[in-house]
This record gives sequence, structure tokens and C-alpha cells, in this order.
Amino acid sequence: QSALTQPASVSGSPGQSITISCTGTSSDIGGYNYVSWYQQHPGKAPKLMIYEVTNRPSGVSNRFSGSKSGNTASLTIAGLQAEDEADYYCSSYTSSDTYVFGTGTKVTVL
Amino acid sequence: EVQLLESGGGLVQPGGSLRLSCAASGFTFSNYAMTWVRQAPGKGLEWVSLISGSGSNTYADSVKGRFTISRDNSKNTLYLQMNSLRAEDTAVYYCAKRSTPGPNFDYWGQGTLVTVSS
Repeated sequence: QSALTQPASVSGSPGQSITISCTGTSSDIGGYNYVSWYQQHPGKAPKLMIYEVTNRPSGVSNRFSGSKSGNTASLTIAGLQAEDEADYYCSSYTSSDTYVFGTGTKVTVL
Repeated sequence: EVQLLESGGGLVQPGGSLRLSCAASGFTFSNYAMTWVRQAPGKGLEWVSLISGSGSNTYADSVKGRFTISRDNSKNTLYLQMNSLRAEDTAVYYCAKRSTPGPNFDYWGQGTLVTVSS
């Protein structure tokens, strides 16, 4: 199972919006509405930010939103803040009854 | 409060074995699938294995036949038995709880470092 493809880095100024893409196949992203997004600060454990493509867990800011079209999912962060600087990973359930993560995107707040 | 605490990491020689544990608290452990995810130094997340509440399991191709996931619901503990370890298995290993109903991982431990080196 190959990793999902994400851009290595995305940057934006405070207050701007950024979007991170995550491309897979019809066997993972395209086949299920089971895409999740995780935020990871250096030296910390990942934190669930979005689940089932568009849903936010309790406590996650509504500045974070998710979407999907075909084999590509996206995470948008609106009103970028300094605390959003972190690594972000997408993940999907697969047709093999396994899971796959994305390659990861480093978000930099300029 | 959900808590997951991994232990058992350390330095092991290539070809050696190690067993990781993950002690869970704050939720009804037997009701939830649990998973192991690893992260090599400076690299991304890699899903390793998952076990359902009743014990059925799945593995990534990279560890199939070498790693065994198990759980003891009476002790609220998840395990990962790692055999025939290779240098490329060097990573921080996280345990995580799978949420219900969706297949996502809503709580994570802080991880335990496994280093495979001679």
C-alpha cells in the first residue's frame, strides 16, 4: 500500500487560508468517506483534526475544514494562526481492510 | 479521561525481538479496536497493525509475518510482539484508539522509541 501523496510544505501569513491536498486511489480515498486528518507538533503525538472527510471532533477549531473530490481529499485552515504551524497528515481506510497515511505536509506560518 | 501509555521500547540488535505494551484507561477497552502506528526519525506516519475488540487483526505488508498484535481485555493492555527486527523498523511506536463508528484514531499515546542497531 503506497502512502497517500501530500505536498511537502505549505505556507501562509497569519489570517490567510491555506489548503493541503491528499491524493490517493479508488481503493482508498475514492472508495470510502473515511478520510481523517491529523496535526502533529514537533515531539508530540498526532491529534485528530478531521474525521470522515468533513467532521470535526469536539474541541477542534471550526477554522479547520475538510472536503473530498474523487481520489483527492483536502484540508483547509482558515484564519491561519501561529499555533497552526505543525505537520499535517491525511489518512484513509482502504479496500484491503488496512489504513494508509499521507506523506505529510509541513505548514509554516510566515 | 482517556489515557494510553506505551512501554517496552529500547535498543535491539538486527534480527532480535521486542514486545511493546500500551496500557489503556478512561474508556471501556474491550469495546474498541486499537492500532499501532510508527514514525521513523524525521519521517512520516506509517500504519502498522490494528486489532478489533474481539481480537481479529490486520497488518501492513511491511510487518506481516514478523509482528503480532494482541490484547488482554482483562488488563486493558495492547501489545505488539516484534520479531526479526530490521534497521528500518527503527521508529517511535504509537498506540491509538479507534473511534466508533468511523475508522479514525481519536486518542493517541506519547509513543515509545524502538532502535534497531548493532
